[in-house]
Amino acid sequence: KNQVEQSPQSLIILEGKNCTLQCNYTVSPFSNLRWYKQDTGRGPVSLTIMTFSENTKSNGRYTATLDADTKQSSLHITASQLSDSASYICVPGGADGLTFGKGTHLIIQP
Amino acid sequence: DARVTQTPRHKVTEMGQEVTMRCQPILGHNTVFWYRQTMMQGLELLAYFRNRAPLDDSGMPKDRFSAEMPDATLATLKIQPSEPRDSAVYFCASGLTRDGKFPLFNSPLHFGNGTRLTVT
Repeated sequence: KNQVEQSPQSLIILEGKNCTLQCNYTVSPFSNLRWYKQDTGRGPVSLTIMTFSENTKSNGRYTATLDADTKQSSLHITASQLSDSASYICVPGGADGLTFGKGTHLIIQP
Repeated sequence: DARVTQTPRHKVTEMGQEVTMRCQPILGHNTVFWYRQTMMQGLELLAYFRNRAPLDDSGMPKDRFSAEMPDATLATLKIQPSEPRDSAVYFCASGLTRDGKFPLFNSPLHFGNGTRLTVT
């Protein structure tokens, strides 16, 4: 069964600090991995998409990494801003489609 | 900026009543997905359509849920009769797929802002 584990479940950091969110998955066969950002009361918005052969992908202050051998991905946020407060959802894709993690709830404090 | 539009944004209803949620996908996208999100389960796939044809609805309780796509600009999700355990946020998403379930690599899923359903 496809599974996604994200850690931590929640995180509070001060504005301007960096943080890294983790994702472990068991999806087989694996094809690509997506990270979505979901603001409160809104739908998820795509941040990055990586194939199994890519190790890193950046989108502004967001950098995703992927290790397909160990089935791990991370999302690094640099110089956090108040608008980064949201849930971040890891989504590996395989033959059965997309499997959504439960997300990491990130709060940025001023 | 193209977007997926969902209506209503909020719906409060009593147990046993019929609920209809609507979605307007992005023009040109060939696949429409319905998801349900709860705190406990996260996002769960309920059903999806490709080129308006239903491909899979195994994720939803068929005795009370039904999904249709009467035309390319409208997808509907209906619950009849509704129950308290149906309370959740329902999302519609659209995208481009080759075989229905798996989005093309360079095509992210675009989500609407959801319908928050409360059944009392």
